[in-house]
Amino acid sequence: GDSVTQMEGPVTLSEEAFLTINCTYTATGYPSLFWYVQYPGEGLQLLLKATKADDKGSNKGFEATYRKETTSFHLEKGSVQVSDSAVYFCALFYVGNNDMRFGAGTRLTVKP
Amino acid sequence: EAGVTQSPTHLIKTRGQQATLRCSPISGHTSVYWYQQALGLGLQFLLWYDEGEERNRGNFPPRFSGRQFPNYSSELNVNALELEDSALYLCASSKGTVYGYTFGSGTRLTVV
Repeated sequence: GDSVTQMEGPVTLSEEAFLTINCTYTATGYPSLFWYVQYPGEGLQLLLKATKADDKGSNKGFEATYRKETTSFHLEKGSVQVSDSAVYFCALFYVGNNDMRFGAGTRLTVKP
Repeated sequence: EAGVTQSPTHLIKTRGQQATLRCSPISGHTSVYWYQQALGLGLQFLLWYDEGEERNRGNFPPRFSGRQFPNYSSELNVNALELEDSALYLCASSKGTVYGYTFGSGTRLTVV
């Protein structure tokens, strides 16, 4: 079935460092792809999305490009802040059962 | 616009008891999804309701059940609670999956 695979964490960076969290997917057809963020003690928030190949989603300095040729949707940010410390989930819309399939999550800690 | 609201925030139950969790979706959203997030693990899909009907369920035993009311709010019931049911239960609503899901803050269920 359709699925996403994220890089394992945890990831620890210093403030202002460059961030990449890898996400690859397996899917039939052309799924929509999402990144969600979960801050401590909270639910998930939609961070960005892309609905077709070559689309770039962006929000709050984060970006991800839907790459059909490499089946990837890597999350990037040029300069992370302490406030970006959270768990990040990659997800795709699974057409077969009409539910969202989430990756295992990557915990990011940013140190001052 | 009010977000997805879940109640209660925290719930402590004894093994063998029943738990009822509630979710109110965003106005205009007809689909409600339930996920279980055990400590340190990713999200596991539980149930999907749309227009009052159960559309799909994840790989959980029948003691996990629920319903959706005419106003699209939803209830998740967990019978015969076991210690491993302790988790954060997240509810999400959507008006169409290409828009992504909007999550509530979750109910933390602790079974002792």
